[in-house]
Amino acid sequence: EPEVTQTPSHQVTQMGQEVILRCVPISNHLYFYWYRQILGQKVEFLVSFYNNEISEKSEIFDDQFSVERPDGSNFTLKIRSTKLEDSAMYFCASTQKEKQLFGPGTRLTVL
Amino acid sequence: GDSVTQMEGPVTLSEEAFLTINCTYTATGYPSLFWYVQYPGEGLQLLLKATKADDKGSNKGFEATYRKETTSFHLEKGSVQVSDSAVYFCALSETGGYQKVTFGIGTKLQVIP
Repeated sequence: EPEVTQTPSHQVTQMGQEVILRCVPISNHLYFYWYRQILGQKVEFLVSFYNNEISEKSEIFDDQFSVERPDGSNFTLKIRSTKLEDSAMYFCASTQKEKQLFGPGTRLTVL
Repeated sequence: GDSVTQMEGPVTLSEEAFLTINCTYTATGYPSLFWYVQYPGEGLQLLLKATKADDKGSNKGFEATYRKETTSFHLEKGSVQVSDSAVYFCALSETGGYQKVTFGIGTKLQVIP
């Protein structure tokens, strides 16, 4: 079965640095999402993306965050200036109909 | 807004025991309901789903029935195995197929031999 892939699996960065998390959604899917899971907490929605624009975003998704689909396959989440509280597992997902499939996640550690 | 409430756990069971993880939801419309599983060190995998009232989702011996009257979607398995040890998330998305998924807190299950 096709899978959503994410790179890197683990990213360590210094506070204030920019990070880009990468995802390759399933090729015929049209909707893409980012979620995050702070350690020990629930998985939270960040943003959804369709037709090259944001379709919905949460309160968490402030001006420090941006998403992009730079080519036909990648879907990226950029955090412009990381904060300690951005440390979390970030999951990418894509969906065609009612089955939203998730990638394995990128663990972001901000020091 | 939409929300999902589930027992926090951890839940510790002996192998072959019966499992129930309770889940209730609040939603404005008629959501689809899901159970996702996260094995140690891995991502989120869709375990089962139900899209309308009275539907039963099932997979790998796990079952859950969409109960609109009690707004519940409890996960059950008749006989758990050590390999079922994982975190289980109840979740919903609003009707339409492309909506975001709203998750519960997750319930950690540990099955001991």
